[in-house]
Order: sequence, then structure tokens, then C-alpha cells
Amino acid sequence: DIQMTQSPSTLSASIGDRVTITCRASQSIKSWLAWYQQKPGKAPKLLIYKASSLESGVPSRFSGSGSGTEFTLTISSLQPDDFATYYCQQYNSYPYSFGQGTKLEIK
Amino acid sequence: EVQLLESGGGLVQPGGSLRLSCAASGFTFSNYAMSWVRQAPGKGLEWVSHISDSGGSTYYADSVKGRFTISRDNSKNTLYLQMNSLRAEDTAVYYCAKRRGYSGTTQGWFDPWGQGTLVTVSS
Repeated sequence: DIQMTQSPSTLSASIGDRVTITCRASQSIKSWLAWYQQKPGKAPKLLIYKASSLESGVPSRFSGSGSGTEFTLTISSLQPDDFATYYCQQYNSYPYSFGQGTKLEIK
Repeated sequence: EVQLLESGGGLVQPGGSLRLSCAASGFTFSNYAMSWVRQAPGKGLEWVSHISDSGGSTYYADSVKGRFTISRDNSKNTLYLQMNSLRAEDTAVYYCAKRRGYSGTTQGWFDPWGQGTLVTVSS
């Protein structure tokens, strides 16, 4: 089974900051990686698929990169609506797996 | 608009059973694979099970294999999760999710997700 490890677990940042979240896979998943945003009490929302493809309607300040085993999610200029928890997910093979999440907090 | 609406959650005793449903609308349900994903209180996301568009192929997490059964009724646009031999560690919000991606392959991401239904296993 493929293990996904996100870092950091918690990130404190200010409005306007550029932030990066890292996700590492225990073996190559090519570009089969998605990123989701989740707010308290809500379902996850798709941000990025195939490592770097921005989902329609998602602001362009979100971007994804990477392939193989190392991936990043970058928010270029934090907005108040971006404070949430972010998860990566591999879909290279079953069982699908998620990272443990990164909680983005206001500094 | 694509909508997924889960139901069937509730309080159940350890060893008991529950069947979750997910009613789909706004898309051609029979053309898409579907999954269940769960989230224990205060914890991260855990993929539970997958079913292909026709229902002919299913996958399960090791944690639920042999206890949970995923199924679908394409005539009713509904996805199901039959949960037997429930344990305290199955307590979670259960989400159904539409899998987008590549039909006939294992590659696909989730969009959208339903609002979730809470299952609590406790005596």
C-alpha cells in the first residue's frame, strides 16, 4: 500500500503570504495526485488533480507541482477564505490513500 | 448541478449493522465510478470503498474488508454501503464521492463529495 506524508501538519501564516505544503508518497505515483481543501463541518473540495491541473472555478493563486514521490501545493497570496485544512490524495492504485492533512491557521 | 445526498447514519451498538445510501442527481450516474470515504471525529480522511460504473468491480480498504459491502442501483441513481459487524473505530462521518478520471482504470479523483452522514458505534 502507498503511504502519503504531508508536511507541515500545522502552518501559521498571514494574509498575503506565500505558503507551500509538501506531500510525499512512499513509492512513485507518477502524477496521480489530487489536493483538497476542507473547512470545519464541510465536505472536502477539489482544488488540483493530476498533480498540477487546476480545477475549474478554483482561484489561480492555488497551484500544484511535482511527480513521482514529491509534490507541493502552493498558495501564492493567502486570502481570508484560504484558512482551512488541506489534504493530498494518491490515486495511482487501490487502496487510495490521503495525507494526514495540513491545517493552515491565521498567524 | 451535481448533487450527492447521503442518508442512513445514526447510533448503532458494537456488532450491529447499518446501511448507508447516497442519492445522486445532476449527472448520468451509471457512467461514473463512486467511492465512500470516511472521517473519524477530529481526524483525517480515509478511503473506504470503490465501485465501478457498472457495479462489476469493487475495492475495499483492509480495515473494512469482509464487513462492508458497496453496491449501486443505477436505475435508482443510488449508491449503498452495507456495514456489518460494526466497531467503535468505524465511528465517522461517511462521505460518498463521484470519481472523475479515466473509465476502466484505477486512476480517478473525487469531485464532488456529498455532505456526509455520521455513524456512531457505541453501547
